Amino acid sequence: ELKVEQNPLFLSMQEGKNYTIYCNYSTTSDRLYWYRQDPGKSLESLFVLLSNGAVKQEGRLMASLDTKARLSTLHITAAVHDLSATYFCAVVFSSGSARQLTFGSGTQLTVLP
Amino acid sequence: EPEVTQTPSHQVTQMGQEVILRCVPISNHLYFYWYRQILGQKVEFLVSFYNNEISEKSEIFDDQFSVERPDGSNFTLKIRSTKLEDSAMYFCASSEYVLGYTFGSGTRLTVV
Repeated sequence: ELKVEQNPLFLSMQEGKNYTIYCNYSTTSDRLYWYRQDPGKSLESLFVLLSNGAVKQEGRLMASLDTKARLSTLHITAAVHDLSATYFCAVVFSSGSARQLTFGSGTQLTVLP
Repeated sequence: EPEVTQTPSHQVTQMGQEVILRCVPISNHLYFYWYRQILGQKVEFLVSFYNNEISEKSEIFDDQFSVERPDGSNFTLKIRSTKLEDSAMYFCASSEYVLGYTFGSGTRLTVV
């Protein structure tokens, strides 16, 4: 079964603190994506990770991929209120002919002042 | 920047009625998708469409659902007889061959 698991599901953190969101997936993947979703809004692409050891950074967010462990992380550095949103990882599994995305359950991040 | 456009943004319909959700994908993209997100839950794959036919569909995409690309630009999702549990946000997406899925802004479907 193709599964993508994220944890934690809910995360409250103080401004200025660091934290990591984890994304595990069940089988070989072509690529992994991170998306941000604000309430009632669409999915905003943050990162696409293609290969083992890939690391990408944008502002206070950094994503990495370990294909051997089937694990991706999204690290938040010195959180600010504007980062409050739900973050999803999504995987394209190699066995999928149409290359559809399989999403994790999402991590609802709340950054407190 | 190219966009995926979805209409309407919000649709309210009575149970048992047919609805058609519309999408205009990015013009040079080859793959088209519908996803749905029940309020507060994760995004779920419904169907993918390539070369004018369905290439893959999920268990959710039963006989009540259909897709078509009637005129080479629009991509539609039809639900023949809506149920209460069809209430969700429906996202259209398109992708290039290699990378880059672009999602539309979504249609919120409310079945009453």
